[in-house]
Amino acid sequence: EPEVTQTPSHQVTQMGQEVILRCVPISNHLYFYWYRQILGQKVEFLVSFYNNEISEKSEIFDDQFSVERPDGSNFTLKIRSTKLEDSAMYFCASNGHLRTEAFFGQGTRLTVV
Amino acid sequence: SQQGEEDPQALSIQEGENATMNCSYKTSINNLQWYRQNSGRGLVHLILIRSNEREKHSGRLRVTLDTSKKSSSLLITASRAADTASYFCATVLFMNSGGYQKVTFGTGTKLQVIP
Repeated sequence: EPEVTQTPSHQVTQMGQEVILRCVPISNHLYFYWYRQILGQKVEFLVSFYNNEISEKSEIFDDQFSVERPDGSNFTLKIRSTKLEDSAMYFCASNGHLRTEAFFGQGTRLTVV
Repeated sequence: SQQGEEDPQALSIQEGENATMNCSYKTSINNLQWYRQNSGRGLVHLILIRSNEREKHSGRLRVTLDTSKKSSSLLITASRAADTASYFCATVLFMNSGGYQKVTFGTGTKLQVIP
């Protein structure tokens, strides 16, 4: 079964550093998303991406965050100048056209120290 | 108030018993999904129920959906210790032409199954 792949599974970074979380969506999918889950809390929407541009973003997704689809397969989330409160699990998701189900990756656990 | 709220927040049962978790939401949806998450791990997709469906089964899982009450329930029958996890509902609304989906997760129910 096709799956969304995220790397790394766990990343530890120093406060103030930049991190890039990587996702490989399912190959024929066109809509891409990032979600965040702070430990013990619910999963929150960050941003959606289609046709090489952001289609919607939440209040959480401020100037510290950016997304990119640098090539035909990867979808990345960059967090600049990380803060302790950025520590969370980050999930990538993708879906194709015509109301098909969105698939979620297994997440990247980001720990900012 | 939130789109997806689940109750109970926590549930502790004995192995072999049934576990029922409820999810309420506020806006229209196209489908509703349930996920399981073991502590600190990723989301495992359990079951999807479409807005025109009322009940769906998958193994020991039974999901119901009542769009008039804007609620769903997940029943796990004959629970096992391995079912211990957090369970989240997620409502899905198709936007525009139906490609972009707005997925909103609930607050989750933490289930503990005692051996």
